[in-house]
Amino acid sequence: GQQVMQIPQYQHVQEGEDFTTYCNSSTTLSNIQWYKQRPGGHPVFLIQLVKSGEVKKQKRLTFQFGEAKKNSSLHITATQTTDVGTYFCAGIGGGSSNTGKLIFGQGTTLQVKP
Amino acid sequence: AAGVIQSPRHLIKEKRETATLKCYPIPRHDTVYWYQQGPGQDPQFLISFYEKMQSDKGSIPDRFSAQQFSDYHSELNMSSLELGDSALYFCASSLAAGLDTQYFGPGTRLTVL
Repeated sequence: GQQVMQIPQYQHVQEGEDFTTYCNSSTTLSNIQWYKQRPGGHPVFLIQLVKSGEVKKQKRLTFQFGEAKKNSSLHITATQTTDVGTYFCAGIGGGSSNTGKLIFGQGTTLQVKP
Repeated sequence: AAGVIQSPRHLIKEKRETATLKCYPIPRHDTVYWYQQGPGQDPQFLISFYEKMQSDKGSIPDRFSAQQFSDYHSELNMSSLELGDSALYFCASSLAAGLDTQYFGPGTRLTVL
């Protein structure tokens, strides 16, 4: 079945350093969504990428969707302590049978040292 | 803005008991998804409904059943609970099945003793 791999599993950075997490799908995706989850919380929607090669920015966050719509990345510039949490990518498979179920990556847990 | 509502937020049950989790989607959202998240794990898709019909099924045990009602709220019924069912259960809703953004509720933390 469809799988989404996400690396790294953990990342510890000094405040002010950059951070990147990568996702790779075994199959072509219709779209990919990114979520942030704080400990004890629920996944909070960050962004959705639909188009091949799409790049979207939200302040210090930059999201990319690969040309083949099989990989994606999230880059945070100059991390802050408020960026702490687990970042998940979640893909929706392509094809006519697409029902919208999300296949999550394993998540990258970001720790920021002040 | 209104968000997805889930109840109860916490539930403690004994083995072999039953549990019912409820989800109220964002107003006008017609699609509901259920996910299970174990400790330190990513959310795993269980089942989804679109316009009150089951649209997809994932790794949901036969002991679990779910439905979506005429007001679009959904209930996940879990019977013969096992220790391994202890997890966070999230409901997410979207405006339309397929490509739309899914918004997650706060989750129900189920503990089976």
